[in-house]
Amino acid sequence: GAGVSQSPRYKVAKRGQDVALRCDPISGHVSLFWYQQALGQGPEFLTYFQNEAQLDKSGLPSDRFFAERPEGSVSTLKIQRTQQEDSAVYLCASSSGQGLSYNEQFFGPGTRLTVL
Amino acid sequence: SQKIEQNSEALNIQEGKTATLTCNYTNYSPAYLQWYRQDPGRGPVFLLLIRENEKEKRKERLKVTFDTTLKQSLFHITASQPADSATYLCALDTGGFKTIFGAGTRLFVKA
Repeated sequence: GAGVSQSPRYKVAKRGQDVALRCDPISGHVSLFWYQQALGQGPEFLTYFQNEAQLDKSGLPSDRFFAERPEGSVSTLKIQRTQQEDSAVYLCASSSGQGLSYNEQFFGPGTRLTVL
Repeated sequence: SQKIEQNSEALNIQEGKTATLTCNYTNYSPAYLQWYRQDPGRGPVFLLLIRENEKEKRKERLKVTFDTTLKQSLFHITASQPADSATYLCALDTGGFKTIFGAGTRLFVKA
């Protein structure tokens, strides 16, 4: 497919479990973003990669959140010891530009995480 | 801190009318502003970008205005259709890698 894909689409975790969310960006896109979207809210920035380099992680809410993009394509967002407040939709977006926020971002469908 | 406000109440309009959505922001002077559409269960889709030195931008039935004095953008959909029903998000640049999104306004277009 030509778009951004994310997996799994839905994830239910028990409190305290670790989860890993995957993002496949559009091929060749340099920039990759992760966002967290709570119900009824807009996406909130978590982190930004330019190729394999994580240039901004200022939005990660705690040290339980970790993201990587080791080969500059697929990215994984990991949440350790999940808590109920982590329940949200996690969106991934990619862009052909080098991350400046005027570049159009292409979003994936998101992963809906529910922590029980 | 930077804040974006969009109409929290849903906007209900009749098919064929013009929908107007508002985005107000404070404590920031963005160089540009974007509008996205989001359908339930999907990620946002980019619609339009307008720069600070542009007063108005059009794309088919869409029109965006940007008033940096009022710190406001208006988003218009003319000749609205039921298929335009969705949530519309306003987003601001921060001069770096981070884009700040508003909470969005839900639009319902009745046939």
